[in-house]
Amino acid sequence: NAGVTQTPKFQVLKTGQSMTLQCAQDMNHNSMYWYRQDPGMGLRLIYYSASEGTTDKGEVPNGYNVSRLNKREFSLRLESAAPSQTSVYFCASSPSPGLGNSGNQPQHFGDGTRLSIL
Amino acid sequence: GIQVEQSPPDLILQEGANSTLRCNFSDSVNNLQWFHQNPWGQLINLFYIPSGTKQNGRLSATTVATERYSLLYISSSQTTDSGVYFCAGPPSGTYKYIFGTGTRLKVLA
Repeated sequence: NAGVTQTPKFQVLKTGQSMTLQCAQDMNHNSMYWYRQDPGMGLRLIYYSASEGTTDKGEVPNGYNVSRLNKREFSLRLESAAPSQTSVYFCASSPSPGLGNSGNQPQHFGDGTRLSIL
Repeated sequence: GIQVEQSPPDLILQEGANSTLRCNFSDSVNNLQWFHQNPWGQLINLFYIPSGTKQNGRLSATTVATERYSLLYISSSQTTDSGVYFCAGPPSGTYKYIFGTGTRLKVLA
């Protein structure tokens, strides 16, 4: 039972390079999320996809793009990497796009991608 | 925007001690969750607790949604409890999860 799988686990880029972080979940979840975590801080939401075919900006979307390829996969792209984007990136999924407190919809996280931009 | 405050920011315990971690929200949230980030950086979902009380072994959590806070209780702490504890939830009517800055716990043998 893999859960949420992120690739790669580590990456070093030079300023200006582009890269796509991959995320896949095998739990048949509707909603998927991308976060970044800077040292000593909590997670901040970059983008989310409430359901297949939709994406929306989170708290810190600038410099990123996303694609919800299908129900399983949600990718994050850095078009022109900057040193300020050095961080640990987490992908998460949850079962239901419901907005209320109905149902059991905890978030499940991948192990993260450690990205350094020189 | 909504603010999430966690207290205390740091906590050191002797093995076997009990502790209470607190999470305050400045506005209403849905789907409040508690997570443990272990020393390897993995995020583990502890509780999904929009309201009420839940227990899982030595851990329990209580959310009082009307007063915008949640508590995480750790009893008989173990060294494996070390790490950072986060609470998170989206403001009502949104999916935009907001995380607190965390409580860093170290349990000494």
